[in-house]
Amino acid sequence: KQEVTQIPAALSVPEGENLVLNCSFTDSAIYNLQWFRQDPGKGLTSLLLIQSSQREQTSGRLNASLDKSSGRSTLYIAASQPGDSATYLCAGPQGGSEKLVFGKGTKLTVNP
Amino acid sequence: EPEVTQTPSHQVTQMGQEVILRCVPISNHLYFYWYRQILGQKVEFLVSFYNNEISEKSEIFDDQFSVERPDGSNFTLKIRSTKLEDSAMYFCASSDVRTANNSPLHFGNGTRLTVT
Repeated sequence: KQEVTQIPAALSVPEGENLVLNCSFTDSAIYNLQWFRQDPGKGLTSLLLIQSSQREQTSGRLNASLDKSSGRSTLYIAASQPGDSATYLCAGPQGGSEKLVFGKGTKLTVNP
Repeated sequence: EPEVTQTPSHQVTQMGQEVILRCVPISNHLYFYWYRQILGQKVEFLVSFYNNEISEKSEIFDDQFSVERPDGSNFTLKIRSTKLEDSAMYFCASSDVRTANNSPLHFGNGTRLTVT
């Protein structure tokens, strides 16, 4: 059974700082892992999807990595901005299933 | 950019009442999902739907829940007799291919259901 854990639960940084959010998963036989952003009271916005054959995926200031052997993924945010303040969720599939299993998220606050 | 739309944004209902949550997935998508998030907890899978039938459901999705695609655009979640513990944010999502085929899920903004 897939379990997804995210640490830290909350992170507060000054504007301009580079930061890393962590995600760990128990079933290393995943075929992809997704990172989402959730703003308060809003839905989930897909940020990046990393396929199992990839080690990294980049979109603008975001870079996600995937290490299946260690059961870890990281989301790197470069030059953080106040507009990056949100909760970041990672999700991986339950083996052989359409179901995505989510972590509880990291609530990021970027202070001007 | 096309998006998943959900209505209403907030629904308040009394315990025991039936509610229908509505979703319009992205038009060329074929796979549809409902997830929910109880306040302060993780997003949880409820059900997936493909080719006009349920392809997978969680243990949460009991006989009180049903889904339907009544026409070519809408996708609905019905809760037959709501309980207090059904209070949550309900998210609809869609994708063009199976998640195993590396297609990201697109989520709507959610319906906040409050059962009193």
